[in-house]
Amino acid sequence: DGGITQSPKYLFRKEGQNVTLSCEQNLNHDAMYWYRQDPGQGLRLIYYSQIVNDFQKGDIAEGYSVSREKKESFPLTVTSAQKNPTAFYLCASSMRTGGGETQYFGPGTRLLVL
Amino acid sequence: AQRVTQPEKLLSVFKGAPVELKCNYSYSGSPELFWYVQYSRQRLQLLLRHISRESIKGFTADLNKGETSFHLKKPFAQEEDSAMYYCALIASGSRLTFGEGTQLTVNP
Repeated sequence: DGGITQSPKYLFRKEGQNVTLSCEQNLNHDAMYWYRQDPGQGLRLIYYSQIVNDFQKGDIAEGYSVSREKKESFPLTVTSAQKNPTAFYLCASSMRTGGGETQYFGPGTRLLVL
Repeated sequence: AQRVTQPEKLLSVFKGAPVELKCNYSYSGSPELFWYVQYSRQRLQLLLRHISRESIKGFTADLNKGETSFHLKKPFAQEEDSAMYYCALIASGSRLTFGEGTQLTVNP
């Protein structure tokens, strides 16, 4: 383990509040990803970034925002517009996108709504 | 668009029995397929990829383009194989698409 870290392990959100999940990697990977994991639905891609200062929407980007100001960091903000934010969030990184690159995953953050 | 389907959400076998986790995909081109595994209290990690044609922890998976399947097989299941397994696909120039996952339980 190591190489890609997520914090906090658990996060609680109040109604109308924005919260930010941290993801850091020291693998010198260009690409980073955010997934949402719900029981019976697998992993769904929220956002991904192929390079610093660039990112693209995934399949379920509504209600989320990201930034990629540094190669090693890809924070995810869950905004108040996300009506069902309770889930397990996984961050991943890979050398590049596509081309069969292995993705390495962080330990995850569980977000709960109060 | 590409899609990955794992028809079994739950699969339970006894130790020493053969196990097969099913994965079907839809994609018109030549995809790259993977199996990822998540053991209890551990991170999601790559188990194997079809392009390597390797056996990892006794598991193998063969890409069947005619049936658009990539089933994961092991002849003799062990208790430590109990985990959540995800089949995943990368289409050319695109990102990884995961199936819904299969929770495998190997009973003693």
